[in-house]
Amino acid sequence: DAGVIQSPRHEVTEMGQEVTLRCKPISGHNSLFWYRQTMMRGLELLIYFNNNVPIDDSGMPEDRFSAKMPNASFSTLKIQPSEPRDSAVYFCASSLHGGANTDTQYFGPGTRLTVL
Amino acid sequence: KQEVTQIPAALSVPEGENLVLNCSFTDSAIYNLQWFRQDPGKGLTSLLLIQSSQREQTSGRLNASLDKSSGRSTLYIAASQPGDSATYLCALGGFKTIFGAGTRLFVKA
Repeated sequence: DAGVIQSPRHEVTEMGQEVTLRCKPISGHNSLFWYRQTMMRGLELLIYFNNNVPIDDSGMPEDRFSAKMPNASFSTLKIQPSEPRDSAVYFCASSLHGGANTDTQYFGPGTRLTVL
Repeated sequence: KQEVTQIPAALSVPEGENLVLNCSFTDSAIYNLQWFRQDPGKGLTSLLLIQSSQREQTSGRLNASLDKSSGRSTLYIAASQPGDSATYLCALGGFKTIFGAGTRLFVKA
């Protein structure tokens, strides 16, 4: 299995631009997670989906952030408009079972976002 | 509100030494506790997962323990090697996954 796939790996954009991050979870996994990692705040859960349905988005920092999962094999995290403080590494992870986070999460390589 | 603390924040040891990384949490109502490894510029790799009903898990030179009553978990690494150098994070699973800040480990050859 190829593991969790994220694209792009690096993104540099200017303040105010729209940014879309993409994730392909491991085939057969029912849960998908989006995280943000910064030096100041560490690793934070932004949102997670179970069977393509958003279960908890309380970690999404602002309305500028939105996430979708149109099918079991694809998810996007969108920031519009982007701001310099959104600069971080964004990780996508997936796990096999649905419901609460009771099983191993498998992480993608991350997208390093820089907003100038 | 659940809080997760990892001590020490950084650790440097000579090759071959046995070492212990610590993780503490404030709310004992957890589903599981997971230890991850993160190499610089990379994603996280799961090392061990301990379910709430378990006390420990072992994989090779790694052993993780869980004591919910005291709100603590330890990751024991035996006979450390330079390849073990990385950041180690603990995470509490449940309705919402919460990560500690991590311990940065450096094993000197």
